[in-house]
This record gives sequence, structure tokens and C-alpha cells, in this order.
Amino acid sequence: DAGITQSPRHKVTETGTPVTLRCHQTENHRYMYWYRQDPGHGLRLIHYSYGVKDTDKGEVSDGYSVSRSKTEDFLLTLESATSSQTSVYFCAISLRGGLETQYFGPGTRLLVL
Amino acid sequence: AQSVTQLGSHVSVSEGALVLLRCNYSSSVPPYLFWYVQYPNQGLQLLLKYTTGATLVKGINGFEAEFKKSETSFHLTKPSAHMSDAAEYFCALSSGNTPLVFGKGTRLSVIA
Repeated sequence: DAGITQSPRHKVTETGTPVTLRCHQTENHRYMYWYRQDPGHGLRLIHYSYGVKDTDKGEVSDGYSVSRSKTEDFLLTLESATSSQTSVYFCAISLRGGLETQYFGPGTRLLVL
Repeated sequence: AQSVTQLGSHVSVSEGALVLLRCNYSSSVPPYLFWYVQYPNQGLQLLLKYTTGATLVKGINGFEAEFKKSETSFHLTKPSAHMSDAAEYFCALSSGNTPLVFGKGTRLSVIA
């Protein structure tokens, strides 16, 4: 299995509070991705990174920001969590981008009350 | 714009029966196509992928898929379903260096 960890694995928070999710990889892959998974919607891309300090928006980026200061870490921040951001969040990595296989982390289950 | 459509959000088959999960795509350039599987409370893992060349692609656990350009399809099949195949399956597409676009998923149930 690819070395990808996500923390925390479960989190309950209240509306309006900031939340940061961490993705850590030990594979030295260049690309990292954040997705959210919701019933009936499949996986939707939030943000992705193609290198240290290089990030771009995905399909559902509103309300989310990301940072990547090291190759191995990709942080997803909900500046002010809302109930609509209750979801399961997956991090993924790939060596060279879209044409390469993506490897997924175990997911973080977030509940915003 | 690229898109992926998976026909049927839930498919139920008997153990030993043929599994057929349907995926159609739209892409203005030659696509790379993927099938991923997600077991309960886990992340996604790659089943198989089509890049170029042979249009019949074999994957893990006895699954295979055929790329049909004329039908813009990439259906996933397995000759004989096993209880352990029960999971959610996602078709995904990429072209060039763009991130993957996923379908909405098909949940496969296997009945004993």
C-alpha cells in the first residue's frame, strides 16, 4: 500500500469553527489531491497540488483553502466550517499527474454540527 | 468538457453470476480511463486502467474492462461474482495532465 496517512480520521466540530485536515505521504509523489465524497455525488475534487507551493482549484473549492510547504504534507483548511461541509474527505497522490494512477488515503470523516 | 456517467447507482447480482458495471464517458481528446473499487470504510484502490494500445484491459480480482471508442464506453465485467466483490465501484477519466474526473459510483451487492 502507498504510504498515505490522513489525520484526524474522525472529527466533530461546530459551525463557524476552523478545521484543518492533514495528508502526509512517504512516497515522494509530486501531485497531491483533496476530494470529498458524498452520497449521490461520487468523489469531487476540492483542490490539488502539483508541487511545493503550487496549488490549483478543483470543482468544489469554495469555502476551502490548501497549503503545501513540504513535498510530503498537504493541508486542507475549512476557514469557517458549515454543515454543508459534513463529508468524508480523501487525500490522493500521484507521481506525475492525471495520467498516472492515484493512490488514496483512508479518509477523514468530518461532521459539522 | 470531460464527464463520466455510470449507469445504475446500485447493481445486485447473485453469487456466481456475471458482473457488468457500465461506464460511458465524454472527452474531446483521447482519454485515459480507470476503474477504482472502494470497500466499506476504506479509501479507493485501482482495479484497472486503460491508457493506449490493447482495448481489453485486465485488472485485479478477475475484473476486466473493454475500451470502445465508437460507443464511448468502458464497461467493467467479471464472469463470476464472489461475495467479496461487494463494494462501490468508480469509473474515472483523465486526459493530458488534468486531474481525474470521477463518475458517481455504482454500489455492487452480491446475493448468496
